[in-house]
Amino acid sequence: EPEVTQTPSHQVTQMGQEVILRCVPISNHLYFYWYRQILGQKVEFLVSFYNNEISEKSEIFDDQFSVERPDGSNFTLKIRSTKLEDSAMYFCASRRLAGGVGTYEQYFGPGTRLTVT
Amino acid sequence: AQKITQTQPGMFVQEKEAVTLDCTYDTSDPSYGLFWYKQPSSGEMIFLIYQGSYDQQNATEGRYSLNFQKARKSANLVISASQLGDSAMYFCAMREDSYSGAGSYQLTFGKGTKLSVIP
Repeated sequence: EPEVTQTPSHQVTQMGQEVILRCVPISNHLYFYWYRQILGQKVEFLVSFYNNEISEKSEIFDDQFSVERPDGSNFTLKIRSTKLEDSAMYFCASRRLAGGVGTYEQYFGPGTRLTVT
Repeated sequence: AQKITQTQPGMFVQEKEAVTLDCTYDTSDPSYGLFWYKQPSSGEMIFLIYQGSYDQQNATEGRYSLNFQKARKSANLVISASQLGDSAMYFCAMREDSYSGAGSYQLTFGKGTKLSVIP
């Protein structure tokens, strides 16, 4: 069964450093998402991406964040200058474009745990 | 105001018993969808079940069923015949169709309920 993959599974970085989190969505999916989950808290939406541009973003997704689909398979989240409060689990998700009856179900990757020290 | 409220931070259930996890939601969008996800200790998010706002019948998927009460804005998850492997965090989430920019349909999550199944 196709699945969303994410690398790395765990990333440790120092405050102020740039990090890039990578995701490979399911191949026939066209909508991509990043969510984050601070330890012990709920999952929060960051950004959605379709047709090579941001579709919607939350207030969390400020100028420190950017997303890119550099090729036909990868979807990346870049944090330019990490802060301690960026420590969280980051989930990538993807969904197909629903035509007709569809659940708009989002398939989540296993997550990347980012630790900023 | 919280869009998704899960009032039970933690629940215990005896193995083989049924358990109901509560979820209430707040939206004025006439078209929306409700999801339940399971998050084991390993951290991944596993889709369990979906209910659309216009669906006439309650959704069921194997041992999972969704008790959808639209007028009360509740979408409780019922797990029948609990198993030890059901011990996990459970998140209720909502998709609002009209308020979603450019068809984004992003999900809003509740804070979750930690279910522990006792042998």
